Amino acid sequence: AAGVIQSPRHLIKEKRETATLKCYPIPRHDTVYWYQQGPGQDPQFLISFYEKMQSDKGSIPDRFSAQQFSDYHSELNMSSLELGDSALYFCASSRRDKTGDSNQPQHFGDGTRLSIL
Amino acid sequence: AQKVTQAQTEISVVEKEDVTLDCVYETRDTTYYLFWYKQPPSGELVFLIRRNSFDEQNEISGRYSWNFQKSTSSFNFTITASQVVDSAVYFCALSQYGNSGGSNYKLTFGKGTLLTVNP
Repeated sequence: AAGVIQSPRHLIKEKRETATLKCYPIPRHDTVYWYQQGPGQDPQFLISFYEKMQSDKGSIPDRFSAQQFSDYHSELNMSSLELGDSALYFCASSRRDKTGDSNQPQHFGDGTRLSIL
Repeated sequence: AQKVTQAQTEISVVEKEDVTLDCVYETRDTTYYLFWYKQPPSGELVFLIRRNSFDEQNEISGRYSWNFQKSTSSFNFTITASQVVDSAVYFCALSQYGNSGGSNYKLTFGKGTLLTVNP
């Protein structure tokens, strides 16, 4: 079965650079979530999109922005990168049923490991 | 606000032992989802189970079983006859249920329990 695809798998950047992470949800999934997991930490919710509109926002820095495109893939754009941005970034997707309830568990991609030097 | 507590930071067992990972949650919602995920050393998050708050029936899947007790706000996970391949960090998570405004099903994770199964 198709899974959530994230690219790149690994990314090395220097401070003050920019980075773009991509997420391709499971086919027919309409909701995308981004999470950040620091070393030894639990995943923290950043932002989510439903039908290309932002549906919720968590602890996402103002230096980060994200969007969901017409083909439902999503991109997380990160600017002015800091050492503390080094983390594993996960994307997850799910699908809502006709009642508006999400009847799918959130399936996660393998993550993008971002290292800031 | 939602909160998930996994009091056990690390557990170490010998292969074939049974082990229970504890999860206690807090939420003001009357309906919600509970999840367990496994994160092996390779880093991916592997979905194990989702349970909605309506269903307090325990579930068994092979060597895995889950005990949901709404009265104590707990959703514990037991691995029977543990194996070395079970070594991983296990996360318990909580999300809302139902269409609440823009509806958000973001997951709130516990801090995780590192399970080490020794041969």
